Amino acid sequence: EDQVTQSPEALRLQEGESSSLNCSYTVSGLRGLFWYRQDPGKGPEFLFTLYSAGEEKEKERLKATLTKKESFLHITAPKPEDSATYLCAVQASGYNKLIFGAGTRLAVHP
Amino acid sequence: DSGVTQTPKHLITATGQRVTLRCSPRSGDLSVYWYQQSLDQGLQFLIQYYNGEERAKGNILERFSAQQFPDLHSELNLSSLELGDSALYFCASSVDSYQEQFFGPGTRLTVL
Repeated sequence: EDQVTQSPEALRLQEGESSSLNCSYTVSGLRGLFWYRQDPGKGPEFLFTLYSAGEEKEKERLKATLTKKESFLHITAPKPEDSATYLCAVQASGYNKLIFGAGTRLAVHP
Repeated sequence: DSGVTQTPKHLITATGQRVTLRCSPRSGDLSVYWYQQSLDQGLQFLIQYYNGEERAKGNILERFSAQQFPDLHSELNLSSLELGDSALYFCASSVDSYQEQFFGPGTRLTVL
């Protein structure tokens, strides 16, 4: 069964303290892995798509990487405005839907 | 702003009632997806339409139905509502089935 597990469930950082969020997946043929940011009560905001192992994408303080079994979202020198829930999702070959993980709730304190 | 619009933002209704949620995709997107997000289940895929035709089905209850109209907007109909149907309902759109999906702001449904 296709599955996505994110860790940790919650992460508290001091402003400027870099860290990484993990997304491990089990899928029968990966078509793509997606990272989203979600603020409370809002819709998920698209961040990155990764298609193959070894691929990396960057956007401001965020960098996403992909291996054959997991993806990492690295946050460098985070700011309080980076506080949100970060969602990872996979799309399996032959399927159109996204399978989401439960998310990591990130809180960055000044 | 993703370019996906959803109405209404909030809906409060009673058990047994029927409601309709509306979604307009981003300009140029042919594919529309519906997702349900509850505290205990996370984001769950319900159904996808592509250019007016149903393309994929997920964990959608028989009491729920959807359609996509010629102008590509979509509606999700929820009937015989139960307390457990209270959740955030999101619509997403993409150019086709293989590209990133962009989500709307959601409709918060409360069933009393």
